[in-house]
Amino acid sequence: NAGVTQTPKFQVLKTGQSMTLQCAQDMNHNSMYWYRQDPGMGLRLIYYSASEGTTDKGEVPNGYNVSRLNKREFSLRLESAAPSQTSVYFCASMGLTDTQYFGPGTRLTVL
Amino acid sequence: SQQGEEDPQALSIQEGENATMNCSYKTSINNLQWYRQNSGRGLVHLILIRSNEREKHSGRLRVTLDTSKKSSSLLITASRAADTASYFCATVPNSGNTGKLIFGQGTTLQVKP
Repeated sequence: NAGVTQTPKFQVLKTGQSMTLQCAQDMNHNSMYWYRQDPGMGLRLIYYSASEGTTDKGEVPNGYNVSRLNKREFSLRLESAAPSQTSVYFCASMGLTDTQYFGPGTRLTVL
Repeated sequence: SQQGEEDPQALSIQEGENATMNCSYKTSINNLQWYRQNSGRGLVHLILIRSNEREKHSGRLRVTLDTSKKSSSLLITASRAADTASYFCATVPNSGNTGKLIFGQGTTLQVKP
């Protein structure tokens, strides 16, 4: 049981490049979430998916897109990376208990 | 916008002492949760308290919730060096509950051996 996995662990991009962050969970959870964490800011919700086939914006969605590929996988795409998107990105999933389970994070630097 | 504000931002204590962290929030909630984050790692769920509960215990953790003051506290008793981490409160708002968590900015706890 791996829980929530994220790839890659680290990534350096140049301004304007694109990339996709991958997330998968093996707990059969319906809901999945993408957060970013910046120093002193706590975690802020980017997008979430309450169930397979649905996605909704969170607090800071600008510059991002998401895909809920199936029940297990929820990807986050940066179409044209900007230095302001330098952050640590966390994926999480949630079952029936309101408890969220987090992945180990992706550390992204945009130069 | 951030829902929760945590106090203090940083806390340094000796092993064996108790650590208390506070969280205040703005809107009515379904539940409030506390998470721990070790340096460079993902968050780990510690405890959940529902809006109709006032106090909850889990091992060395004690959480209180005062909905009239919109505040919660996390007490870690008999702290250990391994408790060194950042602690975040997170609320699930009452309206349109989709499980979205709104996090505070966190309290960084250092426990000195």
